[in-house]
Amino acid sequence: DQQVKQNSPSLSVQEGRISILNCDYTNSMFDYFLWYKKYPAEGPTFLISISSIKDKNEDGRFTVFLNKSAKHLSLHIVPSQPGDSAVYFCAASTTGNQFYFGTGTSLTVIP
Amino acid sequence: GAVVSQHPSRVICKSGTSVKIECRSLDFQATTMFWYRQFPKQSLMLMATSNEGSKATYEQGVEKDKFLINHASLTLSTLTVTSAHPEDSSFYICSARDLIRGGNYGYTFGSGTRLTVV
Repeated sequence: DQQVKQNSPSLSVQEGRISILNCDYTNSMFDYFLWYKKYPAEGPTFLISISSIKDKNEDGRFTVFLNKSAKHLSLHIVPSQPGDSAVYFCAASTTGNQFYFGTGTSLTVIP
Repeated sequence: GAVVSQHPSRVICKSGTSVKIECRSLDFQATTMFWYRQFPKQSLMLMATSNEGSKATYEQGVEKDKFLINHASLTLSTLTVTSAHPEDSSFYICSARDLIRGGNYGYTFGSGTRLTVV
């Protein structure tokens, strides 16, 4: 049972434009969310997080939005750069418990 | 879709004992499995890469004699934390590659194991 879903396996965006990656979850008890970035042949690296008490968290070019009523999470990258090309995973948990991961979205930023 | 089953989800053990964590690919063959460790609210850190039928490749700083990895079949990899100490308490997660789907997004994660050493 996939509690965290990333329905778009891939996304291509022109350099300088906005990249929007989406994530949906089914468990309303989730209260902490993460986005990971993964380059080929490397482990995932933490990108940005948000707790359920917020609906937005911003870190430089990266912004995560949380819509609890829709059980939807999105990551915005503005402006997109070729170095952002990677696989992005979202993950969700209830505090202190295990994380549930999405299956990833492969982002390609075209120069 | 590809499913990776990881057990147990939680385990509490005494210092000095060993704990085995299993990671199974349920509906695909995984020639490669990855083992990660995550401290609270930090990034997943790759510990080792496990290849079926051969020795695991450990990341720098990871003690291979302490974290024993066995990948005996295309669907099963195990991580054994030997002589566990409280500092080994962490969240361990495995990831496997779906050869059919392939590509960078063929990596499926297990749900993780919360290890607490008391």
